[in-house]
Amino acid sequence: GAVVSQHPSWVICKSGTSVKIECRSLDFQATTMFWYRQFPKQSLMLMATSNEGSKATYEQGVEKDKFLINHASLTLSTLTVTSAHPEDSSFYICSARDPGETEAFFGQGTRLTVV
Amino acid sequence: DAKTTQPPSMDCAEGRAANLPCNHSTISGNEYVYWYRQIHSQGPQYIIHGLKNNETNEMASLIITEDRKSSTLILPHATLRDTAVYYCIGYKNSGGSNYKLTFGKGTLLTVNP
Repeated sequence: GAVVSQHPSWVICKSGTSVKIECRSLDFQATTMFWYRQFPKQSLMLMATSNEGSKATYEQGVEKDKFLINHASLTLSTLTVTSAHPEDSSFYICSARDPGETEAFFGQGTRLTVV
Repeated sequence: DAKTTQPPSMDCAEGRAANLPCNHSTISGNEYVYWYRQIHSQGPQYIIHGLKNNETNEMASLIITEDRKSSTLILPHATLRDTAVYYCIGYKNSGGSNYKLTFGKGTLLTVNP
């Protein structure tokens, strides 16, 4: 099946710095990718839809200036957490679907810890 | 997408069948039932999906009631590695790469030795 890869798997950063997370579709092209966030013992919450070649669509309550999304190619979307604070510490997960498949595939997730 | 209801947790003995129920009484006629699972600290993994008919693959079986108001995911011989949170999701498959899934709280299945 299709593979979606995230990098890095975990990152620790200082408060006030920015962190970039990459999401790649390895063997298919994805015009749309999705970014989720998951706090401990909670379910996945959709943050935004990443659209290749156009602006991302953010869910209600998600700050677009804080969570910058860039989808510059059909195989890569990036999420940048700007001016990170401890409350941004979470598990970030991306997903994408190969148009030829019937299900979405998820990356392995990125554990962000802001200290 | 249809709202789904699942028990928060279940236990199963290793080697036994695990039957995970899901209620989706408001599901519409063109919405599929998808099952994903999430092992601790990993991204969700696709298991199976169906519309009306029962489905089986190498991972599990999906039994959908005739009225489509509920379904059961069956892991025929649960192993310790099947311990995970299982999500039942109602989704209208419109094709293409647009695939926005809404996750509920799921069921934490614990497989005991």
